[in-house]
Amino acid sequence: GAGVSQSPSNKVTEKGKDVELRCDPISGHTALYWYRQSLGQGLEFLIYFQGNSAPDKSGLPSDRFSAERTGGSVSTLTIQRTQQEDSAVYLCASSLGPARETQYFGPGTRLLVL
Amino acid sequence: SQQGEEDPQALSIQEGENATMNCSYKTSINNLQWYRQNSGRGLVHLILIRSNEREKHSGRLRVTLDTSKKSSSLLITASRAADTASYFCAIRETSGSRLTFGEGTQLTVNP
Repeated sequence: GAGVSQSPSNKVTEKGKDVELRCDPISGHTALYWYRQSLGQGLEFLIYFQGNSAPDKSGLPSDRFSAERTGGSVSTLTIQRTQQEDSAVYLCASSLGPARETQYFGPGTRLLVL
Repeated sequence: SQQGEEDPQALSIQEGENATMNCSYKTSINNLQWYRQNSGRGLVHLILIRSNEREKHSGRLRVTLDTSKKSSSLLITASRAADTASYFCAIRETSGSRLTFGEGTQLTVNP
């Protein structure tokens, strides 16, 4: 595709429910990153994929958060048993590779946990 | 405290004026990048400066890097109302693959 896409754009869920957020990176980009941004704050790194493996998942805040990437392309971030503090914008970015510095961001998924 | 700390947190200027934002960090870096974000959505990469570079230009943007002071500045010249956005610096440390972002500077350019 022309750019990084994410779905859904917005998600409202009830506390305790599971949610899945999807990221489609730019075709051919081997590196994929997930970030979280709370209102008015900077980006918090969550996890990095190189191909289908995640060399760095140290930013995942708890074991309720998991992510996978299949076929070296699409990635899914799953949050189980959502809590109100999970409310944030979840941003995905991709790059040609870890040595290719520029990251291209998607528009984000705005998650609201009621 | 967090790497890539920007100051000021907010900056309001008139169209045509220059805007300067600063970023400080604590570790050794491979490079430092500046990104722009409109309306709390996706970020757009503006410019990258490597640790062995001192200054870089791109259009109306000028970035400097002082590794001895562990600081960088982003200068936007002849600002326009369309430059209104949040600006983030991000550092790539010498080890690791992640970028660490600061909390950003909210720039408002008044027409």
